[in-house]
Amino acid sequence: KQEVTQIPAALSVPEGENLVLNCSFTDSAIYNLQWFRQDPGKGLTSLLLIQSSQREQTSGRLNASLDKSSGRSTLYIAASQPGDSATYLCPYNTDKLIFGTGTRLQVFP
Amino acid sequence: NAGVTQTPKFRVLKTGQSMTLLCAQDMNHEYMYWYRQDPGMGLRLIHYSVGEGTTAKGEVPDGYNVSRLKKQNFLLGLESAAPSQTSVYFCASRTLAGGRQETQYFGPGTRLLVL
Repeated sequence: KQEVTQIPAALSVPEGENLVLNCSFTDSAIYNLQWFRQDPGKGLTSLLLIQSSQREQTSGRLNASLDKSSGRSTLYIAASQPGDSATYLCPYNTDKLIFGTGTRLQVFP
Repeated sequence: NAGVTQTPKFRVLKTGQSMTLLCAQDMNHEYMYWYRQDPGMGLRLIHYSVGEGTTAKGEVPDGYNVSRLKKQNFLLGLESAAPSQTSVYFCASRTLAGGRQETQYFGPGTRLLVL
């Protein structure tokens, strides 16, 4: 069964902490994996896209890694800010996107 | 450049009523998708289209129909709404160029409540 598991389901941290969000998936033959953020009542905003041939991608304070052999990806957020509060999703692509339920992150001042 | 837009933003229906959700994109994308998002579940693919005049079923197509008469528009129809179709509906699109490596761009969503 195609499945994405995101741990933890929810996370609440004080501002300034470095965070790691975990994502595991069941397929090894993927085209890519993507990290999105979803703000309450909003659509999905793409953060990072890691192709199957890549090991990691970085954008500002965000760094995402991909290990296809173990079916894992992690999103590292450095020096978290209240504006990072959102739900983070990590669908993988096997000709269609397979989504998990996400990690709900709250960063408080 | 508006990206992906969805109409309406919110709608309340009674059981048995019909409605159409409109998705429009101005990026000249070939692929378009309809998803639904329910509490405790990930986004699930309802239907998709790989080009004007084409449609295909996704993971949860029952109770929905779609049409892609124009490249920029993808319509999702509910012929006889049921409470189980209460959900948030997202439309997405992506380009054909670059193949499956390309990202999907998502609209802001339509909240549908079926009473």
